[in-house]
Amino acid sequence: DSGVTQTPKHLITATGQRVTLRCSPRSGDLSVYWYQQSLDQGLQFLIQYYNGEERAKGNILERFSAQQFPDLHSELNLSSLELGDSALYFCASSVTEDGLLYGYTFGSGTRLTVV
Amino acid sequence: AQTVTQSQPEMSVQEAETVTLSCTYDTSENNYYLFWYKQPPSRQMILVIRQEAYKQQNATENRFSVNFQKAAKSFSLKISDSQLGDTAMYFCAFILDQAGTALIFGKGTTLSVSS
Repeated sequence: DSGVTQTPKHLITATGQRVTLRCSPRSGDLSVYWYQQSLDQGLQFLIQYYNGEERAKGNILERFSAQQFPDLHSELNLSSLELGDSALYFCASSVTEDGLLYGYTFGSGTRLTVV
Repeated sequence: AQTVTQSQPEMSVQEAETVTLSCTYDTSENNYYLFWYKQPPSRQMILVIRQEAYKQQNATENRFSVNFQKAAKSFSLKISDSQLGDTAMYFCAFILDQAGTALIFGKGTTLSVSS
């Protein structure tokens, strides 16, 4: 168990709909990163939050948005869903010690299927 | 912009043999980190090994080692004594040692280990 919790694990919805994916980082971690992994593709960085504030933005569509709440959990909102949005969505926290980055810890992902 | 390239979409190896996965990256910066992640069929992202760019010594973790060539911007992963459990997708990843940046992943190499 990585300590990063994502819910739900699976989600099936229709085109045009809106969904919310949830992520709780490890206890004490202030950062949250969202990634999208389409079928047989690498991970595409979407957006990062740190202690409630947006810190970095990647290839995130305007139909997508995210936020991080005071309790540090984060939600990724996907709207006007298209078939091409079907993917595995990961949340991650960065692991640092003494100013050094030791990597990201990933949640188990949310599998989104748009039909 | 930084990029990560994995030129081998698929590789196969027999149990107990050694295999090397290639990765090149592009950056004009001097301070960064490099990682290899493993994604088995369960789709969980697992950190395999990390390398700090300012360290010339190649990182090793048990059967996993890297060949880090900073001038050539190359970061290959060597798996010794391959095991069936090593079957997975392997991703090379890069991140600048700066706030406001995120891990950038290559497209991955699918490794199959057979008996």
